[in-house]
Amino acid sequence: ETGVTQTPRHLVMGMTNKKSLKCEQHLGHNAMYWYKQSAKKPLELMFVYNFKEQTENNSVPSRFSPECPNSSHLFLHLHTLQPEDSALYLCASSQDLAGGGNTQYFGPGTRLTVL
Amino acid sequence: GENVEQHPSTLSVQEGDSAVIKCTYSDSASNYFPWYKQELGKGPQLIIDIRSNVGEKKDQRIAVTLNKTAKHFSLHITETQPEDSAVYFCAATTKAGTALIFGKGTTLSVSS
Repeated sequence: ETGVTQTPRHLVMGMTNKKSLKCEQHLGHNAMYWYKQSAKKPLELMFVYNFKEQTENNSVPSRFSPECPNSSHLFLHLHTLQPEDSALYLCASSQDLAGGGNTQYFGPGTRLTVL
Repeated sequence: GENVEQHPSTLSVQEGDSAVIKCTYSDSASNYFPWYKQELGKGPQLIIDIRSNVGEKKDQRIAVTLNKTAKHFSLHITETQPEDSAVYFCAATTKAGTALIFGKGTTLSVSS
């Protein structure tokens, strides 16, 4: 276990549904991240939070809405998704932002299927 | 834009052989280069990393080398074992220094 948990582990939703992914880290880290992992593509950075403030939005469509209520929790709210959004969504955390050479610890991911 | 190229995409070796995975990065400002191993059903886990002020780092059967001039770095696994079978990702820090850019991954298969 890395100290980063994600729920649910699997999610199937229709294109008109609204759902949320949850991430929690028990490591006392200040930075948290959302990544998307699709088949045969590199991990794609979506959002970066540092001390609860969003520092990076990597041109993510507005149907993905992140929320970081405190340094330990990160949510990804999903609304009117498309089938191509089906992927593994990974949460990660690090002591501080990655540029300082801070190790990122990943959760197990949420496998999302959009019908 | 920023990117990290990783080769090969698949690698099959016999148990006991060595495996080498290579990556090149585009941004000369990148200063941190981790390698992750991802097993089925799990998130990526850090196995080794190297910073830009170091040319080589070793941890038991795993080593990483960095050539900043050529902007490439490599993962070396010696005496491979079946449990080394997984997908390996290299990464480099973004220009903004806030996160990581990942390579596409290498699926390593070690047969006994």
